[in-house]
Amino acid sequence: DGGITQSPKYLFRKEGQNVTLSCEQNLNHDAMYWYRQDPGQGLRLIYYSQIVNDFQKGDIAEGYSVSREKKESFPLTVTSAQKNPTAFYLCASSTGSLRGNTEAFFGQGTRLTVV
Amino acid sequence: RKEVEQDPGPFNVPEGATVAFNCTYSNSASQSFFWYRQDCRKEPKLLMSVYSSGNEDGRFTAQLNRASQYISLLIRDSKLSDSATYLCVVNDRGSTLGRLYFGRGTQLTVWP
Repeated sequence: DGGITQSPKYLFRKEGQNVTLSCEQNLNHDAMYWYRQDPGQGLRLIYYSQIVNDFQKGDIAEGYSVSREKKESFPLTVTSAQKNPTAFYLCASSTGSLRGNTEAFFGQGTRLTVV
Repeated sequence: RKEVEQDPGPFNVPEGATVAFNCTYSNSASQSFFWYRQDCRKEPKLLMSVYSSGNEDGRFTAQLNRASQYISLLIRDSKLSDSATYLCVVNDRGSTLGRLYFGRGTQLTVWP
């Protein structure tokens, strides 16, 4: 079955550690996105990528980094520079602007908690 | 001004009621429009795309008004299972090349 997979579902991090969240899709989508959602809040864009080897900062990129070496994969690293990383992280993919940008499909999310 | 604005609610309605949500967007170059549903502690899932001519899917009707730059979602005969947060999503094909903008969501609770 085609889809988008995030792992792990739950992640605990000690302060000062970097952690990497995985996002893989087999939908042959060009565009991939990372969002952060805090309790009772909307989705805020961290980074997005419209094509392999290219990505753009979103609204809250500070303290995060990404790579897009393969079309299928868009990992997000939460660095120690991110002051308040505890949140629900959602990865999404879509066909992208070059193909008319259909709807986005989401992974099940990763809940990151700093302990 | 935010790219996409929604009334956060909450909307509390009895079963069987009709409820409508509105969403406004700021970029007239926006090309694609969607309504998503998000259940508590879950990922958003596509409810329906919104087409210029308006579209209907069972109890759900979506409308787009490009002149006024707003999108609406109408839910008829509300069910308990409709309780969720509804997100308005707009695609920007301008300078930010296909970026998706999400509204903050409108919370709906349907009570028996």
